[in-house]
Amino acid sequence: GESVGLHLPTLSVQEGDNSIINCAYSNSASDYFIWYKQESGKGPQFIIDIRSNMDKRQGQRVTVLLNKTVKHLSLQIAATQPGDSAVYFCAENEAGANSKLTFGKGITLSVRP
Amino acid sequence: GAVVSQHPSRVICKSGTSVKIECRSLDFQATTMFWYRQFPKQSLMLMATSNEGSKATYEQGVEKDKFLINHASLTLSTLTVTSAHPEDSSFYICSATRPLLAGGPSTQYFGPGTRLLVL
Repeated sequence: GESVGLHLPTLSVQEGDNSIINCAYSNSASDYFIWYKQESGKGPQFIIDIRSNMDKRQGQRVTVLLNKTVKHLSLQIAATQPGDSAVYFCAENEAGANSKLTFGKGITLSVRP
Repeated sequence: GAVVSQHPSRVICKSGTSVKIECRSLDFQATTMFWYRQFPKQSLMLMATSNEGSKATYEQGVEKDKFLINHASLTLSTLTVTSAHPEDSSFYICSATRPLLAGGPSTQYFGPGTRLLVL
């Protein structure tokens, strides 16, 4: 079946460096993508989203890139901080699917001081 | 903002009892609410989709008589775990959707989760 997956289970970066978290999706009908951050014991927190008619969107210190040709989504975090340590999930929404999301497996970002 | 709350945040109960978890959208009216469960170090698993005034739609493998969902208003949905057993122990998370634009996709905003431990 269709699935959303992440390439790497863990990512360790030095504080101050940029982080890039990657996600592959396989549902070509998906038209809306979201990145969530989840800290231990808390619910997922919305970070940034992108619609399929865009290939890049920037927020505060974060950028999401969408490559529909290869079905790839990435989250870039600039100047990574200790507070960025968390599990990150990509999620996709299929057009017309009543906002139902399919989540990737999650990747743990660990920031070294 | 788009704030979603859950209550309680943590509950411990005896096997065989029922537990109710509330999910509220505090500053917006949610067209749809979702219920997820999450096991340690795993992703979120969708349990059901809840629309106000209608029956919830359950995902395959989720027992609707075990996990009762009531969506009484556009700001409140409840999940009741009936006759809870230790294997029901998990982290339960709700989300509520807030439309971005008319006809556009809706973003899901999540509650803080409820940790259920069944003894």
